[in-house]
Amino acid sequence: GNSVTQMEGPVTLSEEAFLTINCTYTATGYPSLFWYVQYPGEGLQLLLKATKADDKGSNKGFEATYRKETTSFHLEKGSVQVSDSAVYFCALRAAGNKLTFGGGTRVLVKP
Amino acid sequence: EAGVVQSPRYKIIEKKQPVAFWCNPISGHNTLYWYLQNLGQGPELLIRYENEEAVDDSQLPKDRFSAERLKGVDSTLKIQPAELGDSAVYLCASSSGQGTSGELFFGEGSRLTVL
Repeated sequence: GNSVTQMEGPVTLSEEAFLTINCTYTATGYPSLFWYVQYPGEGLQLLLKATKADDKGSNKGFEATYRKETTSFHLEKGSVQVSDSAVYFCALRAAGNKLTFGGGTRVLVKP
Repeated sequence: EAGVVQSPRYKIIEKKQPVAFWCNPISGHNTLYWYLQNLGQGPELLIRYENEEAVDDSQLPKDRFSAERLKGVDSTLKIQPAELGDSAVYLCASSSGQGTSGELFFGEGSRLTVL
């Protein structure tokens, strides 16, 4: 079946540091890939997505590239802010329309 | 435009009691999902509806969980009787018909505590 594996947290960074959260997936066919973010006290919201190989999704300074050859969709941001503190979920959506999530990575950015 | 609305936000019950959660999806979204999120984990699908039809309920524990989506709009998820291990956040999401590339929109969730 489909699955998503992402690095465990928590990841603690200082403001303006570089952030990378690794995500790899297993899927049949050609899934779409997503990063969702959950800020404290809020619901899940879409951060970015990519629907085919070599696509780059970007939003709010975050980027992730759909790498079919390595089955990866790593999330990066060049300079994090305190407001980026949240839990980040990598997810895929394949045939059957089900969204399958990774376990989540908690990120804490300190001033 | 209103987002996905869930209620109640928080519920505390004794074990063996029943509980129900309600979800109102985004207007026009024909696909509705219920997810279970345990503490520190990613959400896991319980059931997916296309209009009023449950098309994927393979992960729903049918001995105690039930769900319905009358008229293909609002949905209710029920647990009877609740067990200690059911303490979790129950998320509702909806999406329009955009295939696998479409975004799921999530509600804020209903946090259940079973004592």
